[in-house]
Amino acid sequence: EAGVVQSPRYKIIEKKQPVAFWCNPISGHNTLYWYLQNLGQGPELLIRYENEEAVDDSQLPKDRFSAERLKGVDSTLKIQPAELGDSAVYLCASRGSGDTQYFGPGTRLTVL
Amino acid sequence: GNSVTQMEGPVTLSEEAFLTINCTYTATGYPSLFWYVQYPGEGLQLLLKATKADDKGSNKGFEATYRKETTSFHLEKGSVQVSDSAVYFCALSDRSNYQLIWGAGTKLIIKP
Repeated sequence: EAGVVQSPRYKIIEKKQPVAFWCNPISGHNTLYWYLQNLGQGPELLIRYENEEAVDDSQLPKDRFSAERLKGVDSTLKIQPAELGDSAVYLCASRGSGDTQYFGPGTRLTVL
Repeated sequence: GNSVTQMEGPVTLSEEAFLTINCTYTATGYPSLFWYVQYPGEGLQLLLKATKADDKGSNKGFEATYRKETTSFHLEKGSVQVSDSAVYFCALSDRSNYQLIWGAGTKLIIKP
């Protein structure tokens, strides 16, 4: 069974530029999560989707971050414009009917 | 509210030493408990889990037992290898919404 797929793995951009991350969850997993992970810290939830509905986006900085999950499968997380403090690893995870979340490899963003 | 506390790192051991990484939790109800491992430059991988009191999760020589009386889920391994060097995260899943509550992570360094 294929795991959670994320792309790109690495992204370097200049501040004020836009950037987008893509996630393909495990087949059949209705719940999808986006997390932010700073160096040496645990993940912080940004948004949770149940199918195509964002059911928890309370931690998403909506002035510059946006996300979508069209058709309830793949998801895209966007930052526009990026700031220096956005440099981090962006993780996507999915969950099926159980309580276990499965993570992708992450996208490491560097904002210069 | 729910919280997870794990021992601070880094933890440095010699190869073949015995490993214990302490994890305690505070939760209402009966959460599921997890250990995730993150190797350098990679995403989070589920190492093991336990869903109820006295359950023992095990994988790759690692074990952890869900102790309700001490609210603990300590990670143990009898003989560590250099390849076990990574950051280990303890987490609990709130059964009401399956949100993961994370510990701060413990960096493990194994020297040959």
